[in-house]
Amino acid sequence: KAGVTQTPRYLIKTRGQQVTLSCSPISGHRSVSWYQQTPGQGLQFLFEYFSETQRNKGNFPGRFSGRQFSNSRSEMNVSTLELGDSALYLCASSAPGGWDEAFFGQGTRLTVV
Amino acid sequence: AQTVTQSQPEMSVQEAETVTLSCTYDTSESDYYLFWYKQPPSRQMILVIRQEAYKQQNATENRFSVNFQKAAKSFSLKISDSQLGDAAMYFCAYRSAGDDKIIFGKGTRLHILP
Repeated sequence: KAGVTQTPRYLIKTRGQQVTLSCSPISGHRSVSWYQQTPGQGLQFLFEYFSETQRNKGNFPGRFSGRQFSNSRSEMNVSTLELGDSALYLCASSAPGGWDEAFFGQGTRLTVV
Repeated sequence: AQTVTQSQPEMSVQEAETVTLSCTYDTSESDYYLFWYKQPPSRQMILVIRQEAYKQQNATENRFSVNFQKAAKSFSLKISDSQLGDAAMYFCAYRSAGDDKIIFGKGTRLHILP
């Protein structure tokens, strides 16, 4: 069974640009969550999607957005990039709710210059 | 709001020895789950062990065990017979029942000394 796949693995962007990151969950998983990991703030929850609907959102500005497609694949978009957006972005998928374990991808390392 | 606190940014342990990583959390909820995740240099977050809040019995997974003190809101991880492959960042995490959002502590970097 394939794991959670995130693409690309590395990305370098310039301030002011926008970026789209992709996450393919484990087959059969319908919940996808996104996290931002930085040395200063640690791991912070961005948002969670289930069946193409955003169910939960963290405390991030509107520049951060996401969506989920009918095949459960998810994308997150960051517009007007700032230096502080440099981080490791992790995606996790899980079977619907409750006790089920969240499986993480290897992340996308975004560097904003 | 729920919070998770790991007070040890770094720890070191001799190979084959035992080490305990501390974690405290704060919540007003009664139904939740607690986890320890490991993040090696590959950046892959790996679930080490999990505990359901309603279970009094402490979870155990091979060399990994937890000491869950619900009243004290404490959830420590004990690693026995430490191995070089255990070197990683360890995150304590909280998740409300029925919610997929995970709240992480800041992490403890564990070094294994040969």
